[in-house]
Amino acid sequence: EAGVAQSPRYKIIEKRQSVAFWCNPISGHATLYWYQQILGQGPKLLIQFQNNGVVDDSQLPKDRFSAERLKGVDSTLKIQPAKLEDSAVYLCASSPTEGVSEQFFGPGTRLTVL
Amino acid sequence: KQEVTQIPAALSVPEGENLVLNCSFTDSAIYNLQWFRQDPGKGLTSLLLIQSSQREQTSGRLNASLDKSSGRSTLYIAASQPGDSATYLCAVNGYSTLTFGKGTMLLVSP
Repeated sequence: EAGVAQSPRYKIIEKRQSVAFWCNPISGHATLYWYQQILGQGPKLLIQFQNNGVVDDSQLPKDRFSAERLKGVDSTLKIQPAKLEDSAVYLCASSPTEGVSEQFFGPGTRLTVL
Repeated sequence: KQEVTQIPAALSVPEGENLVLNCSFTDSAIYNLQWFRQDPGKGLTSLLLIQSSQREQTSGRLNASLDKSSGRSTLYIAASQPGDSATYLCAVNGYSTLTFGKGTMLLVSP
């Protein structure tokens, strides 16, 4: 069974530029999550999708971050414009259903904002 | 608001030692708890998931326990190996939302 796929693996941009990350969850998983992990911290949830609907985006900085999962499968996370403090690893995870099922994580995208 | 604390922040042991990593959480109303491993520059690998009704789970040399009432979990690693060197993260699930600790960075020297 293929795992969660993410691309790119690394990205370096200047502040105020825009960037997009892509995630393809495990086949059949209805729930998709985006997390932000700053160096030395645990991952923090940014947004959760159930199929193509948003379940929780309470910690997403909506003035600069956006995410979509149009067909209920893969998802993109965008930052525009980027700030220095957005430098982090962006992790995508998926689970079979919402709620108490196990979450499976992708390899992450390491973003450096200069 | 759920808070998760992991102690110690870093641990260095010689190969072969048994060791215990600790995780505590402030809100005992959880559905399950997951232990993850993270290698440098990599994503998270799920090691063990304990449902709130369970007391422990075992996988190979790993054993995780959960005491929900006291808000504590431990990850026991038997006969540590250099390949166990990584950061270990504890995450509690309060119904679909995982709250993570900052992790314990483990170094096992040959």
